[in-house]
Amino acid sequence: QKEVEQNSGPLSVPEGAIASLNCTYSDRVSQSFFWYRQYSGKSPELIMSIYSNGDKEDGRFTAQLNKASQYVSLLIRDSQPSDSATYLCAVTSGNTPLVFGKGTRLSVIA
Amino acid sequence: ETGVTQTPRHLVMGMTNKKSLKCEQHLGHNAMYWYKQSAKKPLELMFVYSLEERVENNSVPSRFSPECPNSSHLFLHLHTLQPEDSALYLCASSQESRQFLYGYTFGSGTRLTVV
Repeated sequence: QKEVEQNSGPLSVPEGAIASLNCTYSDRVSQSFFWYRQYSGKSPELIMSIYSNGDKEDGRFTAQLNKASQYVSLLIRDSQPSDSATYLCAVTSGNTPLVFGKGTRLSVIA
Repeated sequence: ETGVTQTPRHLVMGMTNKKSLKCEQHLGHNAMYWYKQSAKKPLELMFVYSLEERVENNSVPSRFSPECPNSSHLFLHLHTLQPEDSALYLCASSQESRQFLYGYTFGSGTRLTVV
């Protein structure tokens, strides 16, 4: 059974701080990793994808991947109240359907 | 709009009713999915139509029946549902090759309540 684990939170950070969201996965052959943001009552929205070890930056978001440790993280710099949402980690090995974690609820306090 | 349109947005149905959820994608993707999202649970894959194949989660009850007439349209037919089937049902699409899967684009979801 392929599993993706996330701390459910809530993770509370002050406005302007760095939010760090973590995800571990069980399937060693996983190749592609995604972070989705889901606002309350809305559908998930893709914000980052990462396929190789290291860091990938896009604006205030940085995804970090360590395949040896089976660990992927998302950093949000200069956190804003509008970043308050649930962040879902999703993993796939090749062309198999995405496996999602339960999500981490982030609360950015103004 | 994400390019994936789901209707209806909200649905209340009795346990003896038959209804259908509809999904349409305008992104030119070749794979479509149904996911169920319940409170405090991960997104649960129900059905996949991928590269003209259908893949299903064997734990999905037969009261859920998918239909994919073409690569742009996906339906989920519902009959004799139970109250525990109340959830957010999400449709997604993606561009898939035999070696690689790109990220999904989700529709806005259908909030289903079974009474």
